[in-house]
Amino acid sequence: NAGVTQTPKFQVLKTGQSMTLQCAQDMNHNSMYWYRQDPGMGLRLIYYSASEGTTDKGEVPNGYNVSRLNKREFSLRLESAAPSQTSVYFCASSVVGETQYFGPGTRLLVL
Amino acid sequence: AQSVSQHNHHVILSEAASLELGCNYSYGGTVNLFWYVQYPGQHLQLLLKYFSGDPLVKGIKGFEAEFIKSKFSFNLRKPSVQWSDTAEYFCALISGGSYIPTFGRGTSLIVHP
Repeated sequence: NAGVTQTPKFQVLKTGQSMTLQCAQDMNHNSMYWYRQDPGMGLRLIYYSASEGTTDKGEVPNGYNVSRLNKREFSLRLESAAPSQTSVYFCASSVVGETQYFGPGTRLLVL
Repeated sequence: AQSVSQHNHHVILSEAASLELGCNYSYGGTVNLFWYVQYPGQHLQLLLKYFSGDPLVKGIKGFEAEFIKSKFSFNLRKPSVQWSDTAEYFCALISGGSYIPTFGRGTSLIVHP
C-alpha cells in the first residue's frame, strides 16, 4: 500500500517548456487534489477532482490543466512554464469530507 | 465563503515549553476540522481531526486540540514540546457537504534543544 505517489520528485524547466506531473493513489479515494506550496502562502488549491470524470478549478488554476485519467490517477500539466510556477507541488486524495493523504511532492524550478 | 486564520506565523520555543497554536475559522454551519503537520522536507500528514462529539481531541505525539464552537476556534496544544516537533503546522476545515478543504497559511514552529 504505497498511498499517494508523485513523479517526478524534482524538475528544472526553462521558461516556455511543458511538463506533466503525475499522481496516483491506491486507497480507492474518489477525490483528488493538486496544490502548490510557496513560502508564506501556505497551500493553494490549483485543481481538484471530486470523482472520476470530473475536474474543477481551485484558487490558482491559471497556467495549469489537469486530467483525471481514471480513479487512481490525476495529472497536472504545465503547457508553457513560467518562473512564477516555481514551487513545490503536492497531490492529495481523500474520501469526500475526510482526511487528505498527501504525496511526497514535486519540487519544480522554472528558469 | 469559508476561511481559516492562523494567527501565529512563526513560533520559537525551547524544549519542554508548552505550545498553543491558534486557529480560527469563519463558517456558520457544520465543519470538519483538521490539524496537519509538515516536518522539514516532507509532505503534510494528519495530526488530529474533529468531526463531532467530544470537543477535546487527542492526536499523535501528545498533541491535542479543543473545538470551541462559540469562538469558532480549534487551537492546537502540547504541554511539553520536543526538538522533533520542529515543523510547519496547518489548520484546515471542510464545511458540510463540501469537497474542498480550506487551509490556513501555516505556523512555523522551531524548538530549540
